[in-house]
Amino acid sequence: DQQVKQNSPSLSVQEGRISILNCDYTNSMFDYFLWYKKYPAEGPTFLISISSIKDKNEDGRFTVFLNKSAKHLSLHIVPSQPGDSAVYFCAASDSGSARQLTFGSGTQLTVLP
Amino acid sequence: GAGVSQSPSNKVTEKGKDVELRCDPISGHTALYWYRQSLGQGLEFLIYFQGNSAPDKSGLPSDRFSAERTGGSVSTLTIQRTQQEDSAVYLCASSLVRGAKNIQYFGAGTRLSVL
Repeated sequence: DQQVKQNSPSLSVQEGRISILNCDYTNSMFDYFLWYKKYPAEGPTFLISISSIKDKNEDGRFTVFLNKSAKHLSLHIVPSQPGDSAVYFCAASDSGSARQLTFGSGTQLTVLP
Repeated sequence: GAGVSQSPSNKVTEKGKDVELRCDPISGHTALYWYRQSLGQGLEFLIYFQGNSAPDKSGLPSDRFSAERTGGSVSTLTIQRTQQEDSAVYLCASSLVRGAKNIQYFGAGTRLSVL
């Protein structure tokens, strides 16, 4: 049973446009959410996070939105750049548990020049 | 170094052999995690160490898998009698857990191929 789901395996957008990556979760105990970016042959790199007490967190071109009632979060990248092309993983943790992250299966973002 | 270091970066082994994968976490990070990523999949949690507490081994897929963390720093993941389904990228991460905030920093991983 996947507790964190990324239903879109791939997404293509034009350079300069907005990229929206989506993530759904089922475990209501999750209270901290993260997005990681992964290039081939490299480990995942932390991008941005959000605590369940917030509904939005912004860092430069990256904004994460959290809708707790829908158990849904999204990552917005604007404007998208070719260097943003990578696999994006959504992850969640429950601060009351052993603190491992539960990851989605990832979305391959391709930004076309 | 500044980041999480893993070695070897690639390992090819024959079915039935034992392998050891090493992780050197970020200095000062108290928590260390092992995950694996099979082809086309997300990251699967294996084991977690936090300070001097007993490790959480709930993600280990079988008793052929074990890990230790010596002196609260370097960790070794051992897979005994490797099988072809063990082929994956094994990723190590470390973090400095602060309240609910748990940002994990990953190494580049070890790509294990079992022939």
